[in-house]
Parts: sequence; C-alpha cells; structure tokens
Amino acid sequence: SQTIHQWPATLVQPVGSPLSLECTVEGTSNPNLYWYRQAAGRGLQLLFYSVGIGQISSEVPQNLSASRPQDRQFILSSKKLLLSDSGFYLCAWSVWGVGEGRETQYFGPGTRLLVL
Amino acid sequence: RKEVEQDPGPFNVPEGATVAFNCTYSNSASQSFFWYRQDCRKEPKLLMSVYSSGNEDGRFTAQLNRASQYISLLIRDSKLSDSATYLCVVPTGGGNKLTFGTGTQLKVEL
Repeated sequence: SQTIHQWPATLVQPVGSPLSLECTVEGTSNPNLYWYRQAAGRGLQLLFYSVGIGQISSEVPQNLSASRPQDRQFILSSKKLLLSDSGFYLCAWSVWGVGEGRETQYFGPGTRLLVL
Repeated sequence: RKEVEQDPGPFNVPEGATVAFNCTYSNSASQSFFWYRQDCRKEPKLLMSVYSSGNEDGRFTAQLNRASQYISLLIRDSKLSDSATYLCVVPTGGGNKLTFGTGTQLKVEL
C-alpha cells in the first residue's frame, strides 16, 4: 500500500531564516506530487505541483520554491521566511496520468510552521 | 462565481440527525467531484468520489446536479465522530489539479 511521509511535524522559525520541508511517498511510482498551504481558518492553496523528476509548476508567486530530486521525493524551500509564511503545509500525491479516477489526491500528515 | 463555494457553517446538529451540505462550482466542464473530511489540525482525507449522478457509502450520500452545478453531501444518523470540516473538491485547470472549497464545519452534539 502507498504511504506518504512529511517532516518535521511542527516547526518554529524566526523571520528571515531558511526553510526546508520534505515529503516522501512509498509504494507507488511516477506519482504526481503537490504542495499546499492552509492558513488558519482558510482553505487549501495549491503552491506547487510536479508530474516528474525536475518538473515543477508554480501556482502562486511567493518566496517559496520546490524541487523534486527523486521520483518520490518533494521538497519545499525558502531562503528567507516571512511572517506570512506561517501555516499548515501539506504534501499530497496522486496516481500518474490524467483522467477519471486519477485525480484523487492523498495527503501527508502535514507540517505546522510558525514564523516569529 | 467562485470556482468552488461552500457554506462555512458551523452546522450544529444532535446525534442521530440527518444533515446536508451543498457546494456550487463554476467549471461546467468538470467531470468528477470529491468530498474530503478534515479533522481539526489534521490532513484532509478522501470521503467520497462522485463521477456520475451520485454515490452512496453507508450513511453518506453524495449527489451531483450538473445542470445547476452543485454537489450535495447527505449524512444520515449523525454520529459524534462525524464532527469535522467537510471539503468540496473539484478538478480544475487541467492535469490533475484540484480546487478545494473552504469547507463546511459540522458539530454533532449529544
């Protein structure tokens, strides 16, 4: 069966510090991978998605970046965190390909980030 | 119209009640729809997928009205454990991207 891992679970960082969040998926090959952010009391905002190694699409302009160095590894980074970067960061995966039944996304446990 | 719109609630219902949530969407080309459940401070988890007019799974029924572009979720015989936020989700933008509604909060009380 497929599993998705995220770490760390919680993180408190000062403004201006760097960030690296990691997500790994097991039990599947060539997954589509996604990074979302959920601010307090708000909906999920898609930040990045990837359909393969080294292929990253950015959905919103921001000071965050994403990388996919391996098939089942997705990393979210920032060189300098802002207060507004605080939130709940969720990684998700879906089966490779497009079409009915392939859009379902499965989420990792998330990383709660607080920038002070 | 927003891509996906939900009544935020909260819906406070007694245990055993039947409750229904509606969700409207703007992309008339969408073919599949999802309801996710999110517990407080947890990740969203898939509750139901809807590919045709509807889907039923135990106490949960999802119905799709393409003409009016809305999806509903019906929960019968509510349990305390059903308390959560229910997210309406629609594929948008091509590929496998999903747009999530902001969620409807349900509180089931004794």
